[in-house]
Amino acid sequence: DQQVKQNSPSLSVQEGRISILNCDYTNSMFDYFLWYKKYPAEGPTFLISISSIKDKNEDGRFTVFLNKSAKHLSLHIVPSQPGDSAVYFCAADTQGGSEKLVFGKGTKLTVNP
Amino acid sequence: EAQVTQNPRYLITVTGKKLTVTCSQNMNHEYMSWYRQDPGLGLRQIYYSMNVEVTDKGDVPEGYKVSRKEKRNFPLILESPSPNQTSLYFCASSANRVGYTFGSGTRLTVV
Repeated sequence: DQQVKQNSPSLSVQEGRISILNCDYTNSMFDYFLWYKKYPAEGPTFLISISSIKDKNEDGRFTVFLNKSAKHLSLHIVPSQPGDSAVYFCAADTQGGSEKLVFGKGTKLTVNP
Repeated sequence: EAQVTQNPRYLITVTGKKLTVTCSQNMNHEYMSWYRQDPGLGLRQIYYSMNVEVTDKGDVPEGYKVSRKEKRNFPLILESPSPNQTSLYFCASSANRVGYTFGSGTRLTVV
């Protein structure tokens, strides 16, 4: 069963507009969430994270929102730039215990000039 | 430069021929992990390690072995590779699971 779901395989937006990438999770034990960005022929790079004690975390153009009751998080990119075109992975983890970071399948974002 | 180094970047091998993909990090990280990426399946964890001599299975450990004899190295061993292990493999490390640093990947083809 898929514990972390990214239901949109792809997303296309215009440069300067907002990109919203969504992620849902099923495991109530998850309490730490991360977003990674991946360019072709490169490894994923850490983008931003959020702990379950928060509902929002912001870093420059990137903001992650967490809705624990809905088991949903989203990544907002404002304004979107062509260089943001990449695959974005949502990941979830649990406090303490094992180091089992669980990834979603990814969403390919294309930002058109 | 802080990095995770995987070798080789590309490998084509035949079924049953043992191989090792090396992974080394220069950041003194305790946590290390191996993932495979397959189309439509995203990143799936194979094995992880929380410190020297401490390893555990991830979600898809079948057909793989790992070892963590030194903090910096975490090799992935395929004792008898099969075609279903054709994939893109990533090694990653972290000091405290905040922001894993990934290697550039190893594309393995088993024929």
